[in-house]
Amino acid sequence: GAVVSQHPSWVICKSGTSVKIECRSLDFQATTMFWYRQFPKQSLMLMATSNEGSKATYEQGVEKDKFLINHASLTLSTLTVTSAHPEDSSFYICSARNRRAGELFFGEGSRLTVL
Amino acid sequence: AQKVTQAQTEISVVEKEDVTLDCVYETRDTTYYLFWYKQPPSGELVFLIRRNSFDEQNEISGRYSWNFQKSTSSFNFTITASQVVDSAVYFCALNAPNYGGATNKLIFGTGTLLAVQP
Repeated sequence: GAVVSQHPSWVICKSGTSVKIECRSLDFQATTMFWYRQFPKQSLMLMATSNEGSKATYEQGVEKDKFLINHASLTLSTLTVTSAHPEDSSFYICSARNRRAGELFFGEGSRLTVL
Repeated sequence: AQKVTQAQTEISVVEKEDVTLDCVYETRDTTYYLFWYKQPPSGELVFLIRRNSFDEQNEISGRYSWNFQKSTSSFNFTITASQVVDSAVYFCALNAPNYGGATNKLIFGTGTLLAVQP
């Protein structure tokens, strides 16, 4: 079964609203989680690295005020897309690194559609 | 610069054919890791293999095999006797721990869409 869970798996929202996506590691602690974005028929692009208890590190070109990341516990990171616009419609995937074993696991992804 | 190139955008084969997916990478690091992931239509990423830069042995797992050649910076993936269930997008990825100072940061190729026809 999945060891990293994302919720919701899909969401449709109106332009201008904010959407929160959760990423949970189910049976391990993850000091580091990663958020990726995947546009249709394209590759995964790393958006940011989420560090438990500290600020996220954003990749070049990713607006930190638009994509708010919170990693408040060792098993949960959240990505909030603020004031979403149609161009934010994408597939968002998180991954979590097992603190002990060092392995990397991916969530099932969350498909965001902004109308 | 760190880069992963999957030159094949789409491949279509008939069931039971063998198929090889190419992956070429670039990195200046001497220690790095290479991965292959499968992304079926449902969207989740399925881990297939991880290989470190010091292990050039080819690996076989059932119908899957991987050919890692440092001399050509390639990490190709072969599916033997393909099946319809193999239809998916396959991503090759590179992790160079010294890149950007962050471990486990993956750089993905653009993916290869494999369609296996019955």
